[in-house]
Amino acid sequence: GAVVSQHPSRVICKSGTSVKIECRSLDFQATTMFWYRQFPKQSLMLMATSNEGSKATYEQGVEKDKFLINHASLTLSTLTVTSAHPEDSSFYICSATGTGGRGYTFGSGTRLTVV
Amino acid sequence: GDSVTQMEGPVTLSEEAFLTINCTYTATGYPSLFWYVQYPGEGLQLLLKATKADDKGSNKGFEATYRKETTSFHLEKGSVQVSDSAVYFCALSEHAGGTSYGKLTFGQGTILTVHP
Repeated sequence: GAVVSQHPSRVICKSGTSVKIECRSLDFQATTMFWYRQFPKQSLMLMATSNEGSKATYEQGVEKDKFLINHASLTLSTLTVTSAHPEDSSFYICSATGTGGRGYTFGSGTRLTVV
Repeated sequence: GDSVTQMEGPVTLSEEAFLTINCTYTATGYPSLFWYVQYPGEGLQLLLKATKADDKGSNKGFEATYRKETTSFHLEKGSVQVSDSAVYFCALSEHAGGTSYGKLTFGQGTILTVHP
């Protein structure tokens, strides 16, 4: 079946630094990537939607200059949390859709802790 | 806008008990409906889905029927196991057009714990 590889699974960074999270579709072309954020014991909140080769569309209230999304190829999308602060600590999950009616394929998530 | 409401959790059951997790939705069109399961520290896995009214999705003993008249998609399982302990999310998506998929809107999640 379709697989999306998300890395890193866990990362701890210092306040003020930047962190990059990668999602790769291993066996299909991911035409659209959705990035979600999940707080402890809460639901997934959509942050942004990106289509390959286009600028991402951000949800209301999400700072596009802080959460940089790149989707330059059909197999790779990245989320960079810039100048991270403790309040950015969260679980980030990507979800890809592609051609062929595969539906949504989720990455395994990244636990970000900013200290 | 679209929204999904799940029953409040957490839900605690004994093994072999019957499970129901209620889910209702609000949507402007004719969405597809999904149930996802999340195990601790992991991403989401599709459990089952239904794409049109009266469709029944089923997988691993779980079932849910797309009820347009009550805008519901309740998840059921006749006999739960300890291994079913996880967080369950109901979700919907409006099709973006053709075979493209729109964004998923999730319910708040229901924590299920099954004791031996």
